Amino acid sequence: EAGVTQFPSHSVIEKGQTVTLRCDPISGHDNLYWYRRVMGKEIKFLLHFVKESKQDESGMPNNRFLAERTGGTYSTLKVQPAELEDSGVYFCASSLTGVSDTQYFGPGTRLTVL
Amino acid sequence: KQEVTQIPAALSVPEGENLVLNCSFTDSAIYNLQWFRQDPGKGLTSLLLIQSSQREQTSGRLNASLDKSSGRSTLYIAASQPGDSATYLCALTYGQNFVFGPGTRLSVLP
Repeated sequence: EAGVTQFPSHSVIEKGQTVTLRCDPISGHDNLYWYRRVMGKEIKFLLHFVKESKQDESGMPNNRFLAERTGGTYSTLKVQPAELEDSGVYFCASSLTGVSDTQYFGPGTRLTVL
Repeated sequence: KQEVTQIPAALSVPEGENLVLNCSFTDSAIYNLQWFRQDPGKGLTSLLLIQSSQREQTSGRLNASLDKSSGRSTLYIAASQPGDSATYLCALTYGQNFVFGPGTRLSVLP
């Protein structure tokens, strides 16, 4: 069974540009989470989808970040316009049920904003 | 507000040694606690998940314990191997959120 996949694995963009990260959860997992780890700091929660609905987006840093999960399958996280402090690794995870279930993480997308 | 700490920040041990990694949290109202390992440049791998009603979980050479009342969890690694070298993170499910600790960087020397 395929695990959580993320695309791209690396992205280097200039300040002010737009980047879209994609996450494909494990098939059948209704719950999808986004996290990020900025340089030297702990991983922080961004938001949680249940199917196509945003269950919790309290961790989204500002309105330059937009996450979608149309159809309740894959999810995208768009950063527009990107700023230097957005650099880091963005992880996606999925779980079968809710927050009490094991979360399976993707390999992450390393974003570098120059 | 939930705060999670991990001690030590880094640890270096010779191969074969048993070791304990610590995770502390400030609010005991958690649903579960999960231990992960992260290898350089790779994603997180789930090691063990302990529900709030459980005291410990075991998988192979790993044993994780949870003491909610004292706000602590430990990850015990028996007979460490160089392949165990990685960063180990604990994470709590707290409310609807998932709060990570800063991690412990483990190096097992051959």
